[in-house]
Amino acid sequence: NAGVTQTPKFQVLKTGQSMTLQCAQDMNHEYMSWYRQDPGMGLRLIHYSVGAGITDQGEVPNGYNVSRSTTEDFPLRLLSAAPSQTSVYFCASKPDGTIYNSPLHFGNGTRLTVT
Amino acid sequence: KNEVEQSPQNLTAQEGEFITINCSYSVGISALHWLQQHPGGGIVSLFMLSSGKKKHGRLIATINIQEKHSSLHITASHPRDSAVYICAVPQGGSNYKLTFGKGTLLTVNP
Repeated sequence: NAGVTQTPKFQVLKTGQSMTLQCAQDMNHEYMSWYRQDPGMGLRLIHYSVGAGITDQGEVPNGYNVSRSTTEDFPLRLLSAAPSQTSVYFCASKPDGTIYNSPLHFGNGTRLTVT
Repeated sequence: KNEVEQSPQNLTAQEGEFITINCSYSVGISALHWLQQHPGGGIVSLFMLSSGKKKHGRLIATINIQEKHSSLHITASHPRDSAVYICAVPQGGSNYKLTFGKGTLLTVNP
């Protein structure tokens, strides 16, 4: 039982490049979400999903796309990387489809640098 | 939007001391999460609570819904408790979005 797996752990991009951060969970969780963590700020929600085929925007969605074609996978796509997207990204999941009733399970994070 | 304030921002303690970290929020909620972020960056969920008190080992979390306040206590603190502690509450009116505090950096010296 691997939990929530994020890849890669580290990534350096040039401005304008695109890439996909991968997130997979093997716990059959309904809820999956992406956050970014910047110095001096709390975690901020980028996008979330309450089940396969269902996604919605969070607090800071601009410049990012997501899809949820399976229960297990929730990739985050950076369309055209900008230095402002330099951050640490966390994926998290939980069993039910709301933020209540059960705890979040986090991946180990991806440290992204955009030059 | 639900504003979340944690205090203190930084806390240094000696091993064995009793620790209290506070979390206040602006909009009434029905559940609150406490998380721990290790020095290596990994985040684990400590508690999710909607009323009263929960205890897990040396960690105790309390919440007062009326006063919009929660506390995380650590008894007999140990250097391995050194971490950032983060509280999170539902964004106002949402069942799907969390707002996170900026965290409290705890350092426990031997």
